[in-house]
Amino acid sequence: EAGVAQSPRYKIIEKRQSVAFWCNPISGHATLYWYQQILGQGPKLLIQFQNNGVVDDSQLPKDRFSAERLKGVDSTLKIQPAKLEDSAVYLCASSSYPGGEGRDTQYFGPGTRLTVL
Amino acid sequence: AQSVTQLDSHVSVSEGTPVLLRCNYSSSYSPSLFWYVQHPNKGLQLLLKYTSAATLVKGINGFEAEFKKSETSFHLTKPSAHMSDAAEYFCVVSDRAGGGNKLTFGTGTQLKVEL
Repeated sequence: EAGVAQSPRYKIIEKRQSVAFWCNPISGHATLYWYQQILGQGPKLLIQFQNNGVVDDSQLPKDRFSAERLKGVDSTLKIQPAKLEDSAVYLCASSSYPGGEGRDTQYFGPGTRLTVL
Repeated sequence: AQSVTQLDSHVSVSEGTPVLLRCNYSSSYSPSLFWYVQHPNKGLQLLLKYTSAATLVKGINGFEAEFKKSETSFHLTKPSAHMSDAAEYFCVVSDRAGGGNKLTFGTGTQLKVEL
């Protein structure tokens, strides 16, 4: 079974530029999550989708961050304009929640390391 | 609201000696608890999970954890450390309140294994 795919793996941009990250979840997983992991901290949930609807985006800085999951499969997270404090690893995860055995378990992709100069 | 406290930010052990990574949780509901491991420049890998079945949970690579409700703890142990165990470990609580299956991560414990 293929895991969660993310691209690119690394990205370096200057502040005020825009950037987009892509995620393809495990086949059949209804729920997709984007996390931000700042160096030295645990991941923090930015947004959760169930199929193509948003379940929780309370921690998403909506003035600069946006995300979509068209057709309920892959997803894109965008930052525009980027700030220095956005430097972090952006992790995508998926799960079979709300249905299926093991629905509580989230499977993570390798992440995209963003550096904002 | 749910939260997780990892009591040690760094743990150093010698190869072949036991590992203990400590975690306390707080949750308003019956929680699911997880330990994930993150090797450098790699994604998070699930080590084990507790979901209200047996309180002693066995995971991959010889790790296990015991859920103790009275102590609100979920400590991770391994009888004998290996060099390949050096990584960052996250204790995680899942709260299904509101139907969201939200994960809350601890701040992580960096495990160092010395020869």
